[in-house]
Amino acid sequence: DVKVTQSSRYLVKRTGEKVFLECVQDMDHENMFWYRQDPGLGLRLIYFSYDVKMKEKGDIPEGYSVSREKKERFSLILESASTNQTSMYLCASRSPGQITDTQYFGPGTRLTVL
Amino acid sequence: QKEVEQDPGPLSVPEGAIVSLNCTYSNSAFQYFMWYRQYSRKGPELLMYTYSSGNKEDGRFTAQVDKSSKYISLFIRDSQPSDSATYLCAILTGNQFYFGTGTSLTVIP
Repeated sequence: DVKVTQSSRYLVKRTGEKVFLECVQDMDHENMFWYRQDPGLGLRLIYFSYDVKMKEKGDIPEGYSVSREKKERFSLILESASTNQTSMYLCASRSPGQITDTQYFGPGTRLTVL
Repeated sequence: QKEVEQDPGPLSVPEGAIVSLNCTYSNSAFQYFMWYRQYSRKGPELLMYTYSSGNKEDGRFTAQVDKSSKYISLFIRDSQPSDSATYLCAILTGNQFYFGTGTSLTVIP
């Protein structure tokens, strides 16, 4: 079974803090993704990575950055957290070309910025 | 127009009912179709995966794709309270994933 883990289930931070969200997958997947999920807006792609040290902006990259130094780990960084970044953050991984070519999601991190 | 449209609900049904969840999509080139189930405060988990028109069955769940109408459906037979969750449709074409916003389902005992 694919396993995607995220470092925290719940996180509370203050405005202006630097926030690190970590994601690790154990299936040697090439692609990794960061989404945020908000009521009524669904999943919105922040950044994705096709492979180690590669990154691409998604639909809403502003205020975020990412790091992928190792294949299994994809980090999302909020340089200066703001209240409008309060959300559920979901990490996903994918191995293109598999018979079931899909994304596998982690459990999510619910971030509250005060 | 969004690439994938999904009625957000909420949908509330009695236990044992047949549930129909639906999505429409805009691009006839879309290739692969998925349904995810997401329990409250958890990540989405893959429920059904298909790439052709027609029906695919897995236990109480049936995924249906109608490429001519650009319409996908998930049917749940004999619904159970444990089916209460948000259901997201998703479509893959090339390397691009498109997700619906999700339909919230509650099955009342």
